Amino acid sequence: DAKTTQPPSMDCAEGRAANLPCNHSTISGNEYVYWYRQIHSQGPQYIIHGLKNNETNEMASLIITEDRKSSTLILPHATLRDTAVYYCIVRHYNTDKLIFGTGTRLQVFP
Amino acid sequence: NAGVTQTPKFRVLKTGQSMTLLCAQDMNHEYMYWYRQDPGMGLRLIHYSVGEGTTAKGEVPDGYNVSRLKKQNFLLGLESAAPSQTSVYFCASSYGAGAKTQYFGPGTRLLVL
Repeated sequence: DAKTTQPPSMDCAEGRAANLPCNHSTISGNEYVYWYRQIHSQGPQYIIHGLKNNETNEMASLIITEDRKSSTLILPHATLRDTAVYYCIVRHYNTDKLIFGTGTRLQVFP
Repeated sequence: NAGVTQTPKFRVLKTGQSMTLLCAQDMNHEYMYWYRQDPGMGLRLIHYSVGEGTTAKGEVPDGYNVSRLKKQNFLLGLESAAPSQTSVYFCASSYGAGAKTQYFGPGTRLLVL
């Protein structure tokens, strides 16, 4: 499985966009980029995923570079409830195994 | 729908004791998973199941056994607990191969003294 690299922590002001980067330079053509988050010590929560096109849902947007070696998760208007650890995961299309790294701890401040 | 539930929420064991963690899901999911999370770390896959009666090893299976006798339940057993198994255990389930997402339970905190 391809490895991902994320900054250990980031801050964001409430109401601003939070942009969380992820590097996955060894990703292969049949691997998806997934994002999960873990609020406090709860179970992880699915956010979004994509293959090569940009994706948007009610929670976030996912921007994947053309060479697919990196991506950015965007929370358009961060709230205090978005404070969490965000995991970027690369997953092969025919496996359900998720390989979690250490993620990015996002702190949203008032 | 309760989603994914885990029992118990918290447990303290002495070294050498045994216990079983129960995971239940009411979403008719085929796949179920057990993860452990140590402080400051991401989740690591212990065992998983792709259907009733089947189990397979994940990244860190040693010291654990699992059973999937019913589709909705996935049991994680510790036969002889060790302090290194102190962790938070998460169960998850998904529809199956190619499923978009895994749904996670609230976790079980286990302390082995």
